[in-house]
Amino acid sequence: SQQGEEDPQALSIQEGENATMNCSYKTSINNLQWYRQNSGRGLVHLILIRSNEREKHSGRLRVTLDTSKKSSSLLITASRAADTASYFCATVANTGNQFYFGTGTSLTVIP
Amino acid sequence: DAGITQSPRHKVTETGTPVTLRCHQTENHRYMYWYRQDPGHGLRLIHYSYGVKDTDKGEVSDGYSVSRSKTEDFLLTLESATSSQTSVYFCAISVRGQGAMGTEAFFGQGTRLTVV
Repeated sequence: SQQGEEDPQALSIQEGENATMNCSYKTSINNLQWYRQNSGRGLVHLILIRSNEREKHSGRLRVTLDTSKKSSSLLITASRAADTASYFCATVANTGNQFYFGTGTSLTVIP
Repeated sequence: DAGITQSPRHKVTETGTPVTLRCHQTENHRYMYWYRQDPGHGLRLIHYSYGVKDTDKGEVSDGYSVSRSKTEDFLLTLESATSSQTSVYFCAISVRGQGAMGTEAFFGQGTRLTVV
């Protein structure tokens, strides 16, 4: 399987705290993406980081990529109750046209 | 939502019956994907299409077939539904005609299929 794996599977934090989730993958990639899924809804794209980038920011999101370790992390700063959702990483290989999704991290932000 | 509509949104069917799920897009994007989502497995690719009548298999294609006779429609068929195919099915598209390279996926709202 080319699926990535997120860690932890579940995370519960207080509002205002930072949330960090990690993604490990197996193959060489063209880019890595993070998505969010609210309960009962489809996935929504958050941020894309290319294989030649090491860090990227978007609002309260910070993504890092370490291609030597085949891993990425997503940091959500100053979390809000509305950030409660599942978060997935997706990898795109250089040789394909597919998105391979990980198993997801379920984040609960307690008001 | 990039103009993606999945139908039906919910379906209950009996084991052994054929089932077809439809994904419709309004913006003529080239690449379309079918995923299934199961607890503990995340999203797994079933099939994808890179143009009219051009399709390819994903990780979990056994028991599924697809067709794309028009740019806007991508159909997923369970030829003989089994209980293991109970899942939530998502259609997705990628924009800019590049497949997955350098672009994101847009998802439909999902179809919850129960096979009894």
